[in-house]
Amino acid sequence: QSALTQPASVSGSPGQSITIPCSGTSSDVGNFNYVSWYQQHPGKAPNLIIYGVTNRPSGVSNRFSGSKSGNTASLTISGLQAEDEADYYCGSYFASTALSVFGTGTKVTVL
Amino acid sequence: QLQLQESGPGLVKSSETLSLTCSVSGGSISSNSRYWGWIRQAPGKGLEWIASVFFSGNTHYSPSLRGRVTMSVDTSKNQFSLRVTSVTAADTAVYYCARRSTYCNRDTCFDFDIWGQGTTVTVSS
Repeated sequence: QSALTQPASVSGSPGQSITIPCSGTSSDVGNFNYVSWYQQHPGKAPNLIIYGVTNRPSGVSNRFSGSKSGNTASLTISGLQAEDEADYYCGSYFASTALSVFGTGTKVTVL
Repeated sequence: QLQLQESGPGLVKSSETLSLTCSVSGGSISSNSRYWGWIRQAPGKGLEWIASVFFSGNTHYSPSLRGRVTMSVDTSKNQFSLRVTSVTAADTAVYYCARRSTYCNRDTCFDFDIWGQGTTVTVSS
């Protein structure tokens, strides 16, 4: 399986909304709702912020939301805050092979 | 609260074998609803899934690393391990262990929901 494709960087001003796309294929993102999103601050382990395309784990801010259209999943951060500056990775699971894959990662900068 | 802790040598010589262990505390590794995995991150690079193991020993490996990696589980010690043979500089990375669900419902969906803090491995020549 190949890594899912994400833009290298996305930026926005405080209070704005930004969207990070995660492009896959019909073998992963397109036909299954097995997309998750992870936030990683420098020097820290990744932290799960979205699972099953749209669901937030307990304790994750509702400013984070997920969606999917066709073979592309997206993470939207609304009301951008300085603490949101981090790297974000999408992930998916291949049910047919039980393999996992991550996206190429996106660095979010708060201007 | 379940926690994961990686351990292993920080430095490995090129062509040798890297061995890492992940200790699980606050819960049992022998769960029907969880796989246990290894993910690595080379310096300045993205996340790369390596492999996952079930408590029964059933394993799944990344095609890009299959043949060089082996995962195992020790339920008596509540630990699971990773071995990478014939390492090169390209294997230099932070290695994370993590827990993954085995099903999809409103509470979880094949995601890695708990991660260790990571352990840095450098391959030297």
